[in-house]
Amino acid sequence: AQSVTQPDIHITVSEGASLELRCNYSYGATPYLFWYVQSPGQGLQLLLKYFSGDTLVQGIKGFEAEFKRSQSSFNLRKPSVHWSDAAEYFCAVSAGNMLTFGGGTRLMVKP
Amino acid sequence: GAVVSQHPSWVICKSGTSVKIECRSLDFQATTMFWYRQFPKQSLMLMATSNEGSKATYEQGVEKDKFLINHASLTLSTLTVTSAHPEDSSFYICSARPGLAVSYEQYFGPGTRLTVT
Repeated sequence: AQSVTQPDIHITVSEGASLELRCNYSYGATPYLFWYVQSPGQGLQLLLKYFSGDTLVQGIKGFEAEFKRSQSSFNLRKPSVHWSDAAEYFCAVSAGNMLTFGGGTRLMVKP
Repeated sequence: GAVVSQHPSWVICKSGTSVKIECRSLDFQATTMFWYRQFPKQSLMLMATSNEGSKATYEQGVEKDKFLINHASLTLSTLTVTSAHPEDSSFYICSARPGLAVSYEQYFGPGTRLTVT
């Protein structure tokens, strides 16, 4: 069965600093990978996805993620964080019909 | 495009009553819809998968007689929490997958906050 691990439950960064959120997955075949963002009391918004091809994928809001098969990782990055990026971030892997989510990383942004 | 709505956005009900939550795909047809439950500060847990015109498939541990799911059309799925109890209080999120999707991408609704008193 597939699984997703987000090692960092909370991360705090200063506004303008760079950001990297970690995601490790376990899946037997080539995965479909996603990053979603959730603001308090809201649903999930898709930031980016990886299916195949270029291992560096660009998403919305200035986010990017890199798929590294050898490390079973799909880390999310942003070069300069804005206060509005404070939210909960979920990494997910798709296996067949369903999505499996990681536990989430709560991002806090210091002014 | 790919907008999913949920109604209501929040609901308060008394213990023992039933509550229906609607999930609609507004600009696409969804052959498959999913229902998730999210506890505070936790991740999403898949409750069930529903395909239009057929019975829902429930995840292990989810009571199908308590959480009734109906996917009567390609744009609407409903979740009914029957005989609700305070422990059913949670944030319920639906998602929908377009009929022609080959990427297993899901589009999420804004969620429904259920509080049972």
